[in-house]
Amino acid sequence: ETGVTQTPRHLVMGMTNKKSLKCEQHLGHNAMYWYKQSAKKPLELMFVYNFKEQTENNSVPSRFSPECPNSSHLFLHLHTLQPEDSALYLCASSQDTGGTYEQYFGPGTRLTVT
Amino acid sequence: GESVGLHLPTLSVQEGDNSIINCAYSNSASDYFIWYKQESGKGPQFIIDIRSNMDKRQGQRVTVLLNKTVKHLSLQIAATQPGDSAVYFCAENIDRGSTLGRLYFGRGTQLTVWP
Repeated sequence: ETGVTQTPRHLVMGMTNKKSLKCEQHLGHNAMYWYKQSAKKPLELMFVYNFKEQTENNSVPSRFSPECPNSSHLFLHLHTLQPEDSALYLCASSQDTGGTYEQYFGPGTRLTVT
Repeated sequence: GESVGLHLPTLSVQEGDNSIINCAYSNSASDYFIWYKQESGKGPQFIIDIRSNMDKRQGQRVTVLLNKTVKHLSLQIAATQPGDSAVYFCAENIDRGSTLGRLYFGRGTQLTVWP
């Protein structure tokens, strides 16, 4: 176990549904990340939070809305998604947001949009 | 942008052999590199890292080599085992002179170990 947990592990939702993904880290890290992993594509960084403040939004559509209530928890609220949003969504944390800090990943949420 | 790539998308090796997974990058400002392993159904797991002021680093059964002249990174796995079967990603950090550095990931190489 990496110390980063994600729930749910699998999610199937319709395009009109609203759902949320949850991530929790037990490592005392200050930075948390959301990534999207699609088949045959590199990991795509979506959002970065440092000390609960969003420091990067990598041109993500507004149907994805992140929330970071504290340094240990990160949510990704989903609304009106498209089938092409089906992917593995990975949460990660690191000591700080500097790229020279190792990022620890959760197991991911496999999302299917129907 | 995402300048990290991999020479081969798949690699098959026999158990006990050594494996070499390659990665190319194009940004000379990259100052930190990580190798991750991702098994089926799991998130990426840290294997080993190396900073740009080094050209070699060894871990348990793994060695990372960095050739800054040709912008090439490799991961060597000694005595490959069936449990090593996974997708291997390299990632680089491009020094932007601030705390907002980020990792850029390659597409990954699928390593399959057969008995």
